[in-house]
Amino acid sequence: KQEVTQIPAALSVPEGENLVLNCSFTDSAIYNLQWFRQDPGKGLTSLLLIQSSQREQTSGRLNASLDKSSGRSTLYIAASQPGDSATYLCAVKPDKLIFGTGTRLQVFP
Amino acid sequence: KAGVTQTPRYLIKTRGQQVTLSCSPISGHRSVSWYQQTPGQGLQFLFEYFSETQRNKGNFPGRFSGRQFSNSRSEMNVSTLELGDSALYLCASSLEGRGTSSEAFFGQGTRLTVV
Repeated sequence: KQEVTQIPAALSVPEGENLVLNCSFTDSAIYNLQWFRQDPGKGLTSLLLIQSSQREQTSGRLNASLDKSSGRSTLYIAASQPGDSATYLCAVKPDKLIFGTGTRLQVFP
Repeated sequence: KAGVTQTPRYLIKTRGQQVTLSCSPISGHRSVSWYQQTPGQGLQFLFEYFSETQRNKGNFPGRFSGRQFSNSRSEMNVSTLELGDSALYLCASSLEGRGTSSEAFFGQGTRLTVV
């Protein structure tokens, strides 16, 4: 059974810091991995999609890597800003999206 | 290009009632999936519809059902509501869904409160 774990569960940092969020999964048989952002009470916003054959994807200040063999992905956020405060979720896709429990990020000025 | 639209945004229902939630996917997307999000269980998969057929189903009781129309719009129904059904219900739209690497896009969700 596929299980997805995210570490840390919560993170509070000053503005400007570079951050690494971690995601691990137990079964490497996946089509892709997606990182999402969720603001309180809102839906999910797709940040990055990494296909199973890819190693990383970049969008602006965000960079995500995927190592299927070790069952790990990291989301790197450069030069964090208060507007980055949200919960970040990773999800792997075998036949459906299976989500981790998220990392709650707070960036303070 | 319009995103995924879920209606209504908020609902308050009484135990024992039934409720219907609606989801309009991104134009051209044929797969619609539903998820339940609660503080205790996180995001859990309910079911996926593709070309009007249920293609995948999660571990939820039969009180949870859905359907998809020819225009890909989907509805989810919950009958005999229980307090534990209070949650944020999210709909995801993708080009192909199960068995592919299509990216999923989510709506803003419907917040259901059962009293």
